[in-house]
Amino acid sequence: GAGVSQSPSNKVTEKGKDVELRCDPISGHTALYWYRQRLGQGLEFLIYFQGNSAPDKSGLPSDRFSAERTGESVSTLTIQRTQQEDSAVYLCASSWGGGAETQYFGPGTRLLVL
Amino acid sequence: AQSVTQLDSQVPVFEEAPVELRCNYSSSVSVYLFWYVQYPNQGLQLLLKYLSGSTLVESINGFEAEFNKSQTSFHLRKPSVHISDTAEYFCAVSAPEGSARQLTFGSGTQLTVLP
Repeated sequence: GAGVSQSPSNKVTEKGKDVELRCDPISGHTALYWYRQRLGQGLEFLIYFQGNSAPDKSGLPSDRFSAERTGESVSTLTIQRTQQEDSAVYLCASSWGGGAETQYFGPGTRLLVL
Repeated sequence: AQSVTQLDSQVPVFEEAPVELRCNYSSSVSVYLFWYVQYPNQGLQLLLKYLSGSTLVESINGFEAEFNKSQTSFHLRKPSVHISDTAEYFCAVSAPEGSARQLTFGSGTQLTVLP
């Protein structure tokens, strides 16, 4: 079946503009995660959705970052008033649940803020 | 909170030589342990994971990792590497209890297999 998909694959924007990144998880996966990977660094957790529970937003770096998920389907990550330090690859992952379940990653969106 | 340390950012090794990629973690609770691999121009894929039971876990392509609780380590090994093993390898942990279900990743180790 289809894996996790993300769009766009690449995004170049100007400092101060808003961007919206999209993630389509694997069908049936109740858990969805957003991570950020800066150049030469490991992945940083941003936000976690599990079913209809309140999302875990503990990893969001500032109030410029927000994310939504409609039920157990598509999620969008929005970055308002982008800054140059927001440049990174944004990865989405989904799983059947949390903890021990394997997370399946999408190809990522490469964001460059000029 | 958990943290993961991968001390080696780059590991060059000749084809058919053995390799060990080191991973140490810190956590106040028991954890699940994972190795993910990212091949050039591809997404992250799970290589292997330790949840419980036998401390030695193996992948289908010849890698193995051993959970050592006393040393808080989960080193990845392969007795004989191939050119196709060239990739970036990430060690990660997650906590089985509570709401902290996200993975905490190390900074990654770039394995380059030389002919």
